Amino acid sequence: AQSVSQHNHHVILSEAASLELGCNYSYGGTVNLFWYVQYPGQHLQLLLKYFSGDPLVKGIKGFEAEFIKSKFSFNLRKPSVQWSDTAEYFCAVTPHSGGYQKVTFGIGTKLQVIP
Amino acid sequence: DAGVIQSPRHEVTEMGQEVTLRCKPISGHDYLFWYRQTMMRGLELLIYFNNNVPIDDSGMPEDRFSAKMPNASFSTLKIQPSEPRDSAVYFCASSPGLAGGYSNEQFFGPGTRLTVL
Repeated sequence: AQSVSQHNHHVILSEAASLELGCNYSYGGTVNLFWYVQYPGQHLQLLLKYFSGDPLVKGIKGFEAEFIKSKFSFNLRKPSVQWSDTAEYFCAVTPHSGGYQKVTFGIGTKLQVIP
Repeated sequence: DAGVIQSPRHEVTEMGQEVTLRCKPISGHDYLFWYRQTMMRGLELLIYFNNNVPIDDSGMPEDRFSAKMPNASFSTLKIQPSEPRDSAVYFCASSPGLAGGYSNEQFFGPGTRLTVL
């Protein structure tokens, strides 16, 4: 079974600082990878996803993530954060196959951006 | 499409009472999921359905929890009797399955915040 580790549980940044949230997964085969965001009081929304092809994936609101297969990592980045990026971020993984596979979510990283 | 719809948005009940949470998935999605989110345990998958059939209920905490999906557009999660430790936000999500190329992308509802006193 697959698993996901998010190393930073709580991150505090000032506006305009750069962001990198770590995500490592454990699975022996090909995977689909996701980052979801949950703004305060709201539901999870998809930020970006990787299925195949270019390992550098661009998502909404200036976020991007890089899949590094050799490191089993899918870190989320943003060059300059804004106060509105304050939210909880979840990394998720699922085996890549022809049928449905269960998605495993990480514990989440709470990001607080200080104006 | 209105997205995944959940009701109620907030529920406050007393210990021992029956609680029923409701979910309407996105039309055409073959998969439906129930999750529980708490500060201590994060996001936990409770159960998921494919074409209205329960596939994996290994995350259901105990017999007090039950879930049904009588048709493609409706699912319920029931807790009977409820306990204070059930207090959490319960999310429903749906996924398109084959129609979405088995991307496994999930679309979440707004959640039900349950408080058991």
